[in-house]
Amino acid sequence: ETGVTQTPRHLVMGMTNKKSLKCEQHLGHNAMYWYKQSAKKPLELMFVYNFKEQTENNSVPSRFSPECPNSSHLFLHLHTLQPEDSALYLCASSQDGQGDYNEQFFGPGTRLTVL
Amino acid sequence: GQNIDQPTEMTATEGAIVQINCTYQTSGFNGLFWYQQHAGEAPTFLSYNVLDGLEEKGRFSSFLSRSKGYSYLLLKELQMKDSASYLCAAMDSNYQLIWGAGTKLIIKP
Repeated sequence: ETGVTQTPRHLVMGMTNKKSLKCEQHLGHNAMYWYKQSAKKPLELMFVYNFKEQTENNSVPSRFSPECPNSSHLFLHLHTLQPEDSALYLCASSQDGQGDYNEQFFGPGTRLTVL
Repeated sequence: GQNIDQPTEMTATEGAIVQINCTYQTSGFNGLFWYQQHAGEAPTFLSYNVLDGLEEKGRFSSFLSRSKGYSYLLLKELQMKDSASYLCAAMDSNYQLIWGAGTKLIIKP
């Protein structure tokens, strides 16, 4: 039980669809993260929110749009995706976005397939 | 640039010891993390080192040399359930984690 939940666990969508990924953390943390994990590649940090403010956007294409309404919830809105966007999307949280010993707790991920 | 290197895959025998190495180059350094990820599951935290030396936690130990930009994860008395990917991540000066691609560890009976 990691305390971070993600829905849906699996998603298949066409390139013209609009969908959203949801993440919720029950740990009282103040920082939340979106990562992309592709096979045999390092985790790619996409977005960071610290106290609901976006502090990092790693040159992510605009077809990915994050939303953080409060410190416990994080969304990733998807629109007009490409097949190369198929990957595992992981959400994580930590106590805050600054500070050295800042263990990140991960959700189980959403396996996204873009047709 | 920032970079983490670790072996792609390793194989070991149940009951044996295995050492997974990681070298890192980052802009600033605020610690080194190891995570375990079973197939289809979330990464889970194993260890954190910020000072040189060895940190022991049960069957798992982690070592750090800051001057060499080097860490290793040592797994003793291997069990079949230790078959997983092991991810090395270094925290840079902006407190962001720079991740390696992971080492897939295969345990054979």
